[in-house]
Amino acid sequence: DIQMTQSPSSLSASVGDRVTITCQASQDISNYLNWYQQKPGKAPKLLIYDASNLETGVPSRFSGSGSGTDFTFTISSLQPEDIATYYCQQYDNLPRKTFGQGTKLEIK
Amino acid sequence: EVQLVESGGGLVKPGGSLRLSCAASGFTFSSYSMNWVRQAPGKGLEWVSSISSSSSYIYYADSVKGRFTISRDNAKNSLYLQMNSLRAEDTAVYYCARDRTVVTPAFDYWGQGTLVTVSS
Repeated sequence: DIQMTQSPSSLSASVGDRVTITCQASQDISNYLNWYQQKPGKAPKLLIYDASNLETGVPSRFSGSGSGTDFTFTISSLQPEDIATYYCQQYDNLPRKTFGQGTKLEIK
Repeated sequence: EVQLVESGGGLVKPGGSLRLSCAASGFTFSSYSMNWVRQAPGKGLEWVSSISSSSSYIYYADSVKGRFTISRDNAKNSLYLQMNSLRAEDTAVYYCARDRTVVTPAFDYWGQGTLVTVSS
């Protein structure tokens, strides 16, 4: 099975900061990677699909990049409403659609 | 507006059964693959099961294989998860989620979740 390792597991940043989260796959998954945002008590929300494609309606300060085994999720200028836990998810190893363990983002 | 509304959660004893439902609206349900995803209290997300649009393809996580059964009724725009032989480790919020497309199976819409608690 493909393992997804996110880092860091938690992160504290200030409003306006550039924030970067990484996700590493245990084997090549091409660009078959998605990113989700989950706010406390809410369902997850799709932000990025196929590693770098912004879902409709998602602010442009969110972006994703990478292919193969190493992926990056970036918030260009952190806003207070971005406080959440972020998850990567691979779908190369279908039907299993494995999630990373999550990165909890807090405001400093 | 796409809506997914789960129901059927509750408290059940170990070894018991529960059937979750997910009512879909605002899109052509019969054209989309659907999924169940769960989240144990304070933990991360775990994919549980998927079903294709016509029910031709069904898949399960190893952790639930043989105990859970996913199904759908396209005439009723509904997705189901029959959960048998429940264990304490099945305690979680269960979400239904839609695949964005067949080519890109990202989960683009989610329900609000229903809590399943397995405890004596």
